[in-house]
Amino acid sequence: EAGVAQSPRYKIIEKRQSVAFWCNPISGHATLYWYQQILGQGPKLLIQFQNNGVVDDSQLPKDRFSAERLKGVDSTLKIQPAKLEDSAVYLCASSLVGTGAGNTIYFGEGSWLTVV
Amino acid sequence: GEDVEQSLFLSVREGDSSVINCTYTDSSSTYLYWYKQEPGAGLQLLTYIFSNMDMKQDQRLTVLLNKKDKHLSLRIADTQTGDSAIYFCAESLYNQGGKLIFGQGTELSVKP
Repeated sequence: EAGVAQSPRYKIIEKRQSVAFWCNPISGHATLYWYQQILGQGPKLLIQFQNNGVVDDSQLPKDRFSAERLKGVDSTLKIQPAKLEDSAVYLCASSLVGTGAGNTIYFGEGSWLTVV
Repeated sequence: GEDVEQSLFLSVREGDSSVINCTYTDSSSTYLYWYKQEPGAGLQLLTYIFSNMDMKQDQRLTVLLNKKDKHLSLRIADTQTGDSAIYFCAESLYNQGGKLIFGQGTELSVKP
């Protein structure tokens, strides 16, 4: 079974530029998550989708971050314009339904962003 | 409030047991998880425990939960060099749709 796919793996951009990350969850997984992991910290949830609807985006900086999952399958996370403090690993994850022991969350390998 | 705390570093000798500790603050947590992250990789779920349990054992892993003190620990028996990684504890918040809150991670270093 294929895992959660993310691209690109690495990206370096200048501040004020834009960047987009793509995620393809495990086939059949209804719930998709984007997490931000700053170096030395634990992951922080940015946004959670259930199919193509947003469940939780309370920690998404909406002035510069946007995410969509138009057909309820793959998803794109965009940052525009980027700031230095956006340098982090952006982890995509998916699960069959929501969180809970019966619904293991599977993580991708992450997209590493450096803003210079 | 939501807060998960872990010690940052742990160093052990190969063959010894490792104990990684975690404290959390939200009493509505339903499940508590341990994830492992190797360099350059995503997060791998190791094990989890339901909040009404005290202990769970899974091969070399033992999870202990003290709900009164909101303290969770992960014991790795016979620690190997391949266990070197960062270990994250996370709580799932019942009153926020199961949202996961992660600690800052404990870096485990296993010396031969």
